[in-house]
Amino acid sequence: IAGITQAPTSQILAAGRRMTLRCTQDMRHNAMYWYRQDLGLGLRLIHYSNTAGTTGKGEVPDGYSVSRANTDDFPLTLASAVPSQTSVYFCASSEKGQGSDEQFFGPGTRLTVL
Amino acid sequence: GQNIDQPTEMTATEGAIVQINCTYQTSGFNGLFWYQQHAGEAPTFLSYYVLDGLEEKGRFSSFLSRSKGYSYLLLKELQMKDSASYLCAVRDSNYQLIWGAGTKLIIKP
Repeated sequence: IAGITQAPTSQILAAGRRMTLRCTQDMRHNAMYWYRQDLGLGLRLIHYSNTAGTTGKGEVPDGYSVSRANTDDFPLTLASAVPSQTSVYFCASSEKGQGSDEQFFGPGTRLTVL
Repeated sequence: GQNIDQPTEMTATEGAIVQINCTYQTSGFNGLFWYQQHAGEAPTFLSYYVLDGLEEKGRFSSFLSRSKGYSYLLLKELQMKDSASYLCAVRDSNYQLIWGAGTKLIIKP
């Protein structure tokens, strides 16, 4: 099935633990993104990648890291989780990341840090 | 700073028309997007506009005025399935999307 998958669907995590959220797309899109969505706030960009092998920082990158070893996968790592990282995390991709390119979103990961 | 404003919540009646406004102040403008997001689900693309004017797509229409930093999404013949949040996003000079907080639309029978 074409699209974007994320894992896990939800997770409860103890503060201080390390966690990697997985994201895989099979549309051969060049650009990929990680967002967090909090109640009352818009989607906020954490990190992005315009093409395999490159990454960039978004609006709220602190406490998160990413890698883009290949076109399909874009994992997001929380090195030492804190309660303020409790959120819904969406991975997205777009063909080129320019112009009218729409972003396609994964189903999201609901993360709770206690 | 960059800012996108939308009403937090709107209520409308099934079969009616509703207009959701979006005003923006961004560093550069490379197009405006509207997305729909049902509760507990991912956002899905509705439309993209880069030129001024009104464009209709079935029951949904959208207007853009770049000089005023303003857009609206017009939903006609409202159906219960239109109950969702509607997100406005602007692609800035760095080609990143800046998102509004979304407007939650509640449809009543």
